[in-house]
Amino acid sequence: ETGVTQTPRHLVMGMTNKKSLKCEQHLGHNAMYWYKQSAKKPLELMFVYSLEERVENNSVPSRFSPECPNSSHLFLHLHTLQPEDSALYLCASSQFVAGTYEQYFGPGTRLTVT
Amino acid sequence: LAKTTQPISMDSYEGQEVNITCSHNNIATNDYITWYQQFPSQGPRFIIQGYKTKVTNEVASLFIPADRKSSTLSLPRVSLSDTAVYYCLPYTGNQFYFGTGTSLTVIP
Repeated sequence: ETGVTQTPRHLVMGMTNKKSLKCEQHLGHNAMYWYKQSAKKPLELMFVYSLEERVENNSVPSRFSPECPNSSHLFLHLHTLQPEDSALYLCASSQFVAGTYEQYFGPGTRLTVT
Repeated sequence: LAKTTQPISMDSYEGQEVNITCSHNNIATNDYITWYQQFPSQGPRFIIQGYKTKVTNEVASLFIPADRKSSTLSLPRVSLSDTAVYYCLPYTGNQFYFGTGTSLTVIP
């Protein structure tokens, strides 16, 4: 399924590096999300963008910085990360339509911070 | 936000029907109930949604009693490929919060 794509699929970075994760949705949706999933833990909602405006920010450390330049693209800029930030980062999109609550997820980026 | 409680894990033999129940005692009036499936190292995949009574699609059925304080996902005749984690999420607006889910293992 290619509705939501994420790049890169795997990323290893040092604690002093700066990197960005990219998400693109080809479904014409108007909302996009970033989630973090650590080993054996539930998905944690990080950021929500609706109509390109951030509507949710769940007390995420400032070393994570989202950007949504248009309704099809979402970025997560990373800097000075910690080893505990190693996780699977998932992007999702949805369309706000009354009675429809389906999110489409990308394959994720497996991030390792060394 | 409605807190959900699901069994941590379940085992089932191939070909059996599996029912996974989720309790959501403080569900809001406007919340729909959605269920997702997740395989290891992949993003979750939407299975089904409902508001009340029964909903059925090609994959599963969802039973929601009148008080809406719980819901049951029913998977007919499971196969090995149904081994995954299943999440229930009461949902309003843009609030998607996944709990710990139920890890289903299908045994040959």
